[in-house]
Amino acid sequence: EVQLVESGGGLVQPGGSLRLSCTASGFIFSSYWMSWVRQAPGKGLEWVANIKQDGSDRYYVDSVKGRFTISRDNAKNSLYLQMNSLRADDTAVYYCARAIGTEAYWGQGTLVTVSS
Amino acid sequence: EIVLTQSPATLSLSPGERATLSCRASQSVSSYLAWYQQKPGQAPRLLIYDASNRATGIPARFSGSGSGADFTLTISSLEPEDFAVYYCLQRTNWPLTFGGGTKVEIK
Repeated sequence: EVQLVESGGGLVQPGGSLRLSCTASGFIFSSYWMSWVRQAPGKGLEWVANIKQDGSDRYYVDSVKGRFTISRDNAKNSLYLQMNSLRADDTAVYYCARAIGTEAYWGQGTLVTVSS
Repeated sequence: EIVLTQSPATLSLSPGERATLSCRASQSVSSYLAWYQQKPGQAPRLLIYDASNRATGIPARFSGSGSGADFTLTISSLEPEDFAVYYCLQRTNWPLTFGGGTKVEIK
């Protein structure tokens, strides 16, 4: 059974940093593009970042470029999102997803709250 | 950036009625458009990928159509569990973008 489990969310002050993790199981992790998608409270979905199977290509939404870094460790079946210089408008539930747009596998999300 | 505009924002219907949801792109996305359903407190659920292909386990009452810049999600006869928010997503160009969503509510 395919599972994606996010962790690492929490409360952080503006300007702070947080590292999200997504642990995958039930499939060959190294064979798939992976994504982070977020949803601010009461708002719609926003794609954040994608990373290719071997980590050689990475793409970001403009609002996080230079602040967030997506990475993966295929040996550990894990996806990461390093978030620096966090702002109040980064407050959201962050989901990891496999092959977004073509496949159905998403985690349940982890909440990141940026507030003083 | 490709902007996806969903309409209407809210659709008020009764169980058994037909729902027609629209997603329009600011430029062609070919057929690289997906539809998701989301219920409160849950992760999005993929319904349709590549404009018209139902994802595994999705009931036949859900269908997608369109290509280029105009797409439609049709729910042929609404079941109680179908009242939710629906989003479209394009994966043609970076950044990937979602539409603003259509809420299907019980009339």
